[in-house]
Amino acid sequence: DSGVTQTPKHLITATGQRVTLRCSPRSGDLSVYWYQQSLDQGLQFLIQYYNGEERAKGNILERFSAQQFPDLHSELNLSSLELGDSALYFCASSVDQGHYEQYFGPGTRLTVT
Amino acid sequence: GDSVTQMEGPVTLSEEAFLTINCTYTATGYPSLFWYVQYPGEGLQLLLKATKADDKGSNKGFEATYRKETTSFHLEKGSVQVSDSAVYFCALMKKSGANNLFFGTGTRLTVIP
Repeated sequence: DSGVTQTPKHLITATGQRVTLRCSPRSGDLSVYWYQQSLDQGLQFLIQYYNGEERAKGNILERFSAQQFPDLHSELNLSSLELGDSALYFCASSVDQGHYEQYFGPGTRLTVT
Repeated sequence: GDSVTQMEGPVTLSEEAFLTINCTYTATGYPSLFWYVQYPGEGLQLLLKATKADDKGSNKGFEATYRKETTSFHLEKGSVQVSDSAVYFCALMKKSGANNLFFGTGTRLTVIP
């Protein structure tokens, strides 16, 4: 158990809908990362937050957004969902924003029908 | 850009066989290198890491050596077990700028008794 929790574990929704994925980092970790794992794109970085502020962006679509709250949990919002958004979404956390080990949660599997 | 190229799978081995999974990288500077493992239905776990050239990372019988001259970080294990069946990901993290992970495509290993 990495100490990173993600909810829900599974999510099934229809095209055009909006969903919110939640992540609680390890106790004491200030940095949160979101990654998407899909069959065609593999594992790719979406976005990083550090202590409530956005720090880095990867291949994140404009339909997707994230935030980190004062209690350090983070939410990834996916809107106008398309079939191609079906994937495993992982959250990871690290103690700080620099070059530190990242601990991954179990992921949320999103299925868009 | 920065990238990781990983040996295509799947790989099927008999118990106690020798394992090699090849990984090469492209990056500016000298990144840190990682191997992550994903067991069925779980998130990613850090298996081992190396932060500079000639470093050897090791854990649970697995080893990988950071080779700057060949830009490689091949994963090896002398005698695999059924419990090693999983997907293995090679990854890099740059030491400056954004510190997200860049992942390879993953290699699925199945060990048969």
